[in-house]
Amino acid sequence: DGGITQSPKYLFRKEGQNVTLSCEQNLNHDAMYWYRQDPGQGLRLIYYSQIVNDFQKGDIAEGYSVSREKKESFPLTVTSAQKNPTAFYLCASSIDSAYYGYTFGSGTRLTVV
Amino acid sequence: GESVGLHLPTLSVQEGDNSIINCAYSNSASDYFIWYKQESGKGPQFIIDIRSNMDKRQGQRVTVLLNKTVKHLSLQIAATQPGDSAVYFCAENYREAGGTSYGKLTFGQGTILTVHP
Repeated sequence: DGGITQSPKYLFRKEGQNVTLSCEQNLNHDAMYWYRQDPGQGLRLIYYSQIVNDFQKGDIAEGYSVSREKKESFPLTVTSAQKNPTAFYLCASSIDSAYYGYTFGSGTRLTVV
Repeated sequence: GESVGLHLPTLSVQEGDNSIINCAYSNSASDYFIWYKQESGKGPQFIIDIRSNMDKRQGQRVTVLLNKTVKHLSLQIAATQPGDSAVYFCAENYREAGGTSYGKLTFGQGTILTVHP
């Protein structure tokens, strides 16, 4: 079955550490997105990529970095510069950037310890 | 910036009742709207969408209504079931100042729907 896979499901980060969240899709989608979700809030866009080797900052990109070396993969690194990283992170993909019907992954819950 | 918001953050209904979840949007340039359902600890799931050239669209047990005059969107769930309990988000397509869209969606705060047996 085609889908989008995020790993790990739970991740704990120590102060000052960088951590990388994985997002892989086998849907042959061009566009991929990272959103952050805080309790009781909607989703906020961190980064998005319309095509391989290209990505743009979203609304809350500070303290995060991404890469898009392969069509299937769009990893998100939460750097030590992100002062409040504890949140639920969602990756999504769509056929292309002109189509808004996202397929979401199951999310990664990141906690700072 | 422009945003999508919800009137009611929580909604409790009895099993079998109809549910109506409301959403207000402020970006008059938005032309596509989606409703998502999110269960606890999971990613959002697509429910139904509607383009701005329509005012109503029906799916299985769900109907989305769009009122562009007052910039209002609603999701109606018929014969609500306990399995419908979740957080429901509306989202609109996001357009840059020049009208270009990069497939970005702006999400509302969400409404918690609780269905009592």
